[in-house]
Amino acid sequence: AQTVTQSQPEMSVQEAETVTLSCTYDTSESDYYLFWYKQPPSRQMILVIRQEAYKQQNATENRFSVNFQKAAKSFSLKISDSQLGDAAMYFCAVPHRKIQGAQKLVFGQGTRLTINP
Amino acid sequence: GAVVSQHPSRVICKSGTSVKIECRSLDFQATTMFWYRQFPKQSLMLMATSNEGSKATYEQGVEKDKFLINHASLTLSTLTVTSAHPEDSSFYICSARATTLALIGDTQYFGPGTRLTVL
Repeated sequence: AQTVTQSQPEMSVQEAETVTLSCTYDTSESDYYLFWYKQPPSRQMILVIRQEAYKQQNATENRFSVNFQKAAKSFSLKISDSQLGDAAMYFCAVPHRKIQGAQKLVFGQGTRLTINP
Repeated sequence: GAVVSQHPSRVICKSGTSVKIECRSLDFQATTMFWYRQFPKQSLMLMATSNEGSKATYEQGVEKDKFLINHASLTLSTLTVTSAHPEDSSFYICSARATTLALIGDTQYFGPGTRLTVL
């Protein structure tokens, strides 16, 4: 079965510092995307960043970047210059299998990130 | 772009009644929509996947007669919780997968969720 492991239930970082959230996974898909979503207290799931598995270059979105190690099936999220608004639950999501043409996602258990002012 | 709405945001109902939750993609067409359930301090659990114009595919353990899904158009999917009971109380979230080239990559865009409380 596909699994997604976020080994850090909680993390905290000082404002303006850098933090890395880890995610390891297992998938039988050969061509896929990986995602990090954040869920702030409002509970709205927000896409943070997306990585295409066939691309060697790590994805970057402003202060957010990933370290994607395909062979190791590792997909960590780095947040630089942490801001108070980054406080949220972060979920790593990987594909399981296609259902009706769309890839079903499996989510990790989440990492709760606290930003200390 | 890629905005998904859900209605209602909160609903309280009596045990035995049915509740309908709407999920709409506001600025894109979505051939596929997903319905999730999230318990407090837990991750998202996929309940079902639906394509416009076809029957939904339910995950193992999800009662299809209890959680009715209708994907009536490329912008609307509904989840009806029939004969709701207190154990159905939860946070329900929908997501939509875009079909346009600008929003590719099997990315799912999420609605804000619906908190259901069954008394």
